Amino acid sequence: EIVMTQSPATLSVSPGERATLSCRASQSVSSNLAWYQQKPGQAPRLLIYGASTRATGIPARFSGSGSGTEFTLTISSLQSEDFAVYYCQQYNNWAYTFGQGTKLEIK
Amino acid sequence: EVQLVQSGAEVKKPGESLKISCKGSGYSFTSYWIGWVRQMPGKGLEWMGIIYPGDSDTRYSPSFQGQVTISADKSISTAYLQWSSLKASDTAMYYCARCPDSGSYGDVWGKGTTVTVSS
Repeated sequence: EIVMTQSPATLSVSPGERATLSCRASQSVSSNLAWYQQKPGQAPRLLIYGASTRATGIPARFSGSGSGTEFTLTISSLQSEDFAVYYCQQYNNWAYTFGQGTKLEIK
Repeated sequence: EVQLVQSGAEVKKPGESLKISCKGSGYSFTSYWIGWVRQMPGKGLEWMGIIYPGDSDTRYSPSFQGQVTISADKSISTAYLQWSSLKASDTAMYYCARCPDSGSYGDVWGKGTTVTVSS
């Protein structure tokens, strides 16, 4: 099973600033990586798939990069609605696995 | 509008059986995989398994193999997750998700079904 490790566990950033979240895979997942946002009491929301393709309706301030084992989600200018928990997920090999999540909080 | 509508919250006792559902609408139900994801209280997301309703091809994550059964009834565009004997550790939120691209990521999610198992 591929282990996905996200860092940091918690990230404190001020509104309007840039946030950079990391995700590492224990072996190569090519570009078969997705990012999700989850707010309290809500289902996850797909942000990025294929490591860098924004899902329908996702603002351009969200961008994904990376391939192989190292991936990054960047939020260019944080809005109040962006403070949430973010998960990465590999789908290169079954069983698909998520990272443990990064909580993005207001500084 | 593409939607996945999940069944309502459940409260059960240990040892009881349970089947929860996920009904798809607004798209061709037999052309996309449906995945099930567990989220225990205060914890992260875990893939449990996926099913292709078109032919009922099903895969389970190792942690959930033998613990749950995933099925689908394509005639009513509904996928199911069931337990034969619940444990307290099954207490969690369960989400279904539509998975495009030969079963991959979840692009549309249900709102979740809360399952509470307590004596």
